[in-house]
Amino acid sequence: AQSVTQLGSHVSVSEGALVLLRCNYSSSVPPYLFWYVQYPNQGLQLLLKYTSAATLVKGINGFEAEFKKSETSFHLTKPSAHMSDAAEYFCAVSGRDDKIIFGKGTRLHILP
Amino acid sequence: IAGITQAPTSQILAAGRRMTLRCTQDMRHNAMYWYRQDLGLGLRLIHYSNTAGTTGKGEVPDGYSVSRANTDDFPLTLASAVPSQTSVYFCASSGGRGTEAFFGQGTRLTVV
Repeated sequence: AQSVTQLGSHVSVSEGALVLLRCNYSSSVPPYLFWYVQYPNQGLQLLLKYTSAATLVKGINGFEAEFKKSETSFHLTKPSAHMSDAAEYFCAVSGRDDKIIFGKGTRLHILP
Repeated sequence: IAGITQAPTSQILAAGRRMTLRCTQDMRHNAMYWYRQDLGLGLRLIHYSNTAGTTGKGEVPDGYSVSRANTDDFPLTLASAVPSQTSVYFCASSGGRGTEAFFGQGTRLTVV
């Protein structure tokens, strides 16, 4: 069965600083991996996805993530945080069958 | 473009009552999902369907049932609601393994 662990339920960074949100996965088959963002009182929006084409994946709003099989990780980064990045971020994995399993989420706070 | 439509948007329900949350998609996606979102627990998969006519259990299926009579509709039924089913429920669909899920705006359910 696949699973996802997101390290840190809350992360605070200063505006302009590097954003790093951590995600480790478990899957019995080569995984598909996703990062989603959720703004307050909204549904989830896809930021980026890994589908084995390239290990470094670029997404919307300047975010990117790197798939590292040896570390079973798919961490999300952004070089310079903006106030508008404040939201909750979810990592998700899809392995065998069509299930998509989500992590518990990381709330990103941007400090002025 | 509607995408995923959920109804109702919110509901207050007496414990013991039966309730069906509706979900319709217009993207002709094969896979559909129901998640519940609770503070600190992220999104947890309740049930899913790979294609019309098939359903499967997710991480937290107890107390819920689903049906998939056609491609577009995937209703979620609470046979006898309990307060622990108070949550925000999201329906999603995807084109299949490796493709991202598209989410509805959610149904906020309060069981009293």
